[in-house]
Amino acid sequence: DAGITQSPRHKVTETGTPVTLRCHQTENHRYMYWYRQDPGHGLRLIHYSYGVKDTDKGEVSDGYSVSRSKTEDFLLTLESATSSQTSVYFCAISDPGTSVQNEQFFGPGTRLTVL
Amino acid sequence: GNSVTQMEGPVTLSEEAFLTINCTYTATGYPSLFWYVQYPGEGLQLLLKATKADDKGSNKGFEATYRKETTSFHLEKGSVQVSDSAVYFCALDYSGGGADGLTFGKGTHLIIQP
Repeated sequence: DAGITQSPRHKVTETGTPVTLRCHQTENHRYMYWYRQDPGHGLRLIHYSYGVKDTDKGEVSDGYSVSRSKTEDFLLTLESATSSQTSVYFCAISDPGTSVQNEQFFGPGTRLTVL
Repeated sequence: GNSVTQMEGPVTLSEEAFLTINCTYTATGYPSLFWYVQYPGEGLQLLLKATKADDKGSNKGFEATYRKETTSFHLEKGSVQVSDSAVYFCALDYSGGGADGLTFGKGTHLIIQP
């Protein structure tokens, strides 16, 4: 299994509070991604990073920010959590230089509940 | 834009039955295609992939063939087991080896009964 961990694995918070989710990898892959999984929607891309300090928006980026100060860590921040951000969040990594098919490896997920 | 359509289910089958989960896509160019599987409480795992027309991906008894003419990538297995119960996602990579993320279908929940 690819070395990807996410923390916390579960979190319950209140509307309006800031929340930061962490993704950590030990594979030295250049690209990292944050997705959210919701019933009836599958997985949708929030943000991704193609290197240290290089990030870009995905399909559902509103209300989220990211940072990547080291190759191994990719942080997802909800500045002011809302109930619509209740979801399961998955981190993924890839290294296109070694796989032209852009295969992605996924972390175990973080279940976030915003009350 | 790019999109993936798959049956959502749940799909309920008896053990040893034949499985087909349909997947069709809309994309510009020639995307790579994937099937991922998610077991309860876990993240997604790559099941199989195909990068060009007529390629067949296979793994663990599952197969899927990249059909450009019908823009499809249907997942099949000849004899399912209870342990195959999971959610299956069809996905495409339109960035041609780049890193813009994958586009996923909504997922198909498969339930295999003994």
